[in-house]
Amino acid sequence: DGGITQSPKYLFRKEGQNVTLSCEQNLNHDAMYWYRQDPGQGLRLIYYSQIVNDFQKGDIAEGYSVSREKKESFPLTVTSAQKNPTAFYLCASSRPGDTQYFGPGTRLTVL
Amino acid sequence: AQSVAQPEDQVNVAEGNPLTVKCTYSVSGNPYLFWYVQYPNRGLQFLLKYITGDNLVKGSYGFEAEFNKSQTSFHLKKPSALVSDSALYFCAVRPNAGNNRKLIWGLGTSLAVNP
Repeated sequence: DGGITQSPKYLFRKEGQNVTLSCEQNLNHDAMYWYRQDPGQGLRLIYYSQIVNDFQKGDIAEGYSVSREKKESFPLTVTSAQKNPTAFYLCASSRPGDTQYFGPGTRLTVL
Repeated sequence: AQSVAQPEDQVNVAEGNPLTVKCTYSVSGNPYLFWYVQYPNRGLQFLLKYITGDNLVKGSYGFEAEFNKSQTSFHLKKPSALVSDSALYFCAVRPNAGNNRKLIWGLGTSLAVNP
């Protein structure tokens, strides 16, 4: 987990709320990623960014938004448009095309 | 479609016995291959990767993996399992051809090492 921090560890959301998950890295990596993990479904890519001020949709981007204003930070907002947001969210970073290193994760629960 | 398969949802092994967690892939070209481990409610930890060279790759915590190009497999192995190896293991493959070079993930294999 070293070098990548995610906060909070646990997050609870009410229906209709937007919530933002934080991801910070001090590895000087250009690329950052957000994944969603559900039991039995492995990891699914939500958004990724290969450089500051640029990002691309992954496989399940609907209902999510991101920004990449700083190299170190890649926050993920789960909007009210995401109908089933309860999941474990993982942030990762890497040098371009190289090994991805992961943060400790945020568990989001909808109340 | 490109894919990664981990054919066993769960592997059970006795402590001290050798373990194997299987991974096969269907990806064109010469992809990069990765293994990660995940303990409960934690992020993924990188174990090892194959890019090129020797087919036997050594990684963290005594794990190794054998790349077999003809069988398109990259099985994870350890000569002597520990109870603390019990975790969820993921195989991932990064294509090196075409426009889509994002990691393709297997669904994971749960390893249980019994004392």
